[in-house]
Formats: sequence, structure tokens, C-alpha cells
Amino acid sequence: SAVISQKPSRDICQRGTSLTIQCQVDSQVTMMFWYRQQPGQSLTLIATANQGSEATYESGFVIDKFPISRPNLTFSTLTVSNMSPEDSSIYLCSGDSGSTDTQYFGPGTRLTVL
Amino acid sequence: QKEVEQDPGPLSVPEGAIVSLNCTYSNSAFQYFMWYRQYSRKGPELLMYTYSSGNKEDGRFTAQVDKSSKYISLFIRDSQPSDSATYLCAMSALRTRQLTFGSGTQLTVLP
Repeated sequence: SAVISQKPSRDICQRGTSLTIQCQVDSQVTMMFWYRQQPGQSLTLIATANQGSEATYESGFVIDKFPISRPNLTFSTLTVSNMSPEDSSIYLCSGDSGSTDTQYFGPGTRLTVL
Repeated sequence: QKEVEQDPGPLSVPEGAIVSLNCTYSNSAFQYFMWYRQYSRKGPELLMYTYSSGNKEDGRFTAQVDKSSKYISLFIRDSQPSDSATYLCAMSALRTRQLTFGSGTQLTVLP
């Protein structure tokens, strides 16, 4: 299975600022995804991070607010831009296993916006 | 109506009990079904994976998929306090594509 790490593990930010979250996989994966998990709720897909091209965003999420990069098959970043308290959430990245048709998740980044 | 419905609980059982967790879904295109376990302040951990209909057993855990009823289940036998976590069902229509999650069931196993 792939081992996925995220930085930072948590942060407290001021309204109007931006935060970039890094996701590193210990092996090459074809697909990488970014999810949001709001307090007490399940995971909602933000976007699919495509290697070498623009990310594919789900309904309700836009590139200006959540720009994503994926420069290679093991690394991706998600930026939360112009943050407001409503962006307070856990942000998780995941990668596909390649051989077992499923996804593995990072530990998450816990973001609090004041 | 949500694509995936899951009873949020909370569910509290005594140690050694058999636990049954369930999800229903509406999208008949779903073919890949997963159960994740999430401990507090941790990322989801893959527990079970099933393709299409049928049963799959792994130790104390059994996953069942009934595509005709659009219903999936996870059974935990001889439950342990260490099983206390939130259990999330997830599913997708295509291999390693985006997952649609249930809302999660919070389980507590009392010693």
C-alpha cells in the first residue's frame, strides 16, 4: 500500500490569507485526489489532481479558491486562497493503489481560520 | 437525496458483540465498494474492498454487497474496544476514480 504524508498537519490562519498544503506519496500513483472533511461530517471531493495538466474540480469548488498543482507522480499541493472561517476543515489527499483498485489517504491537515 | 446514505449513529456495543454497519446507495453505476475506519484526528484507513456483489471476509470483518438492493454491509465479529472509531462506506463507478462517501457511523465498543 502507498504511504501518504501531508504538511502541515495543522495550522491556524487569519482571514484573507492563503495556505498551501503539501501531499507526498512514497511511490508513484496514477490518480491523486483532494477531499475536505468538515467537523463531524464525511469526506467531500474537491478535485482530482492531474499530473501535468489542470486539476478537475467538483461542483461547488473552483480553481481560484483551491488552486492545485501536481508536478509529478508522487507530489501534489492544494492552496486554500483568501480564507474565511467557513474554510475551517480537515483537508485530505489520497492516491490510488495502482494494483488494488482503491485509494489510500494521508493523515489530513487540520485548518482553523480565525 | 444523497447518493450514499449511512446511519450516523452513534452506536455503542459491549465488547464481544457482533456489529452490523450498513449503507444504501442510489447510483446503479457504482461497482467498487469500500469500508474505511477513521480514528479521531486521523485519516481514513482502508479496511475492506469489494468489487461488485458478494461477500468478502478478512479476520473478524466481513463485507457484503447486494447490488440488486443497492445495499452494503460491514460486520465486525467479537468486537474490541480498539474497534471504536468512525466507519465510512465509500463507493465508485470506475476503478480508482473519485469516491463517494457515506456520512460515517461512529462506533464505541465498551470494555
